[in-house]
Amino acid sequence: SQQGEEDPQALSIQEGENATMNCSYKTSINNLQWYRQNSGRGLVHLILIRSNEREKHSGRLRVTLDTSKKSSSLLITASRAADTASYFCATVLFSGGYQKVTFGIGTKLQVIP
Amino acid sequence: NAGVTQTPKFQVLKTGQSMTLQCAQDMNHEYMSWYRQDPGMGLRLIHYSVGAGITDQGEVPNGYNVSRSTTEDFPLRLLSAAPSQTSVYFCASSYNGGEGNTFGSGTRLTVV
Repeated sequence: SQQGEEDPQALSIQEGENATMNCSYKTSINNLQWYRQNSGRGLVHLILIRSNEREKHSGRLRVTLDTSKKSSSLLITASRAADTASYFCATVLFSGGYQKVTFGIGTKLQVIP
Repeated sequence: NAGVTQTPKFQVLKTGQSMTLQCAQDMNHEYMSWYRQDPGMGLRLIHYSVGAGITDQGEVPNGYNVSRSTTEDFPLRLLSAAPSQTSVYFCASSYNGGEGNTFGSGTRLTVV
């Protein structure tokens, strides 16, 4: 089963609206990361939130983390057509000198101009 | 800085052929990893390395070999290609593995 599972799997919104994507996971984590992937490209790291943090901001991005519910959300405010992409969460667990990074299956966001 | 460079971008192989996917980074990152991305499966870790001379298996290592003779390079070898290895392959690097990864642009591999 997937460690990080994004919800919804697809989201279509109008430009200017806010987009919210959720990620649920099953085990303990040290941090959780969000990535963006434009069609046919590699993943780009957006933001990292540590297990002892509850909220983090970066520009138009806001990430929350609830370790009691094992869930995170990514909010993109005032969306733009250029935000059209797939978004992935990745959980990181440090164990025995190894950082286990597990990606979810992603949310495909379409922002309509 | 070029970041993470992957070659080739596209490749078609016949079943049973072997090939090497190249990955190089110029950020002096210790941690490098290979993922494959399949529809509906997210990214799955194939092999990773925490430094030159050190490699280990990820979630789906069968049919792949890696080596890490230098900090910069982390090639992925397909020993005998199978149709099940048709996928998009991504190489990534990071300072210590637990912080944000820098990804290459990917290699789209088709095995016929």
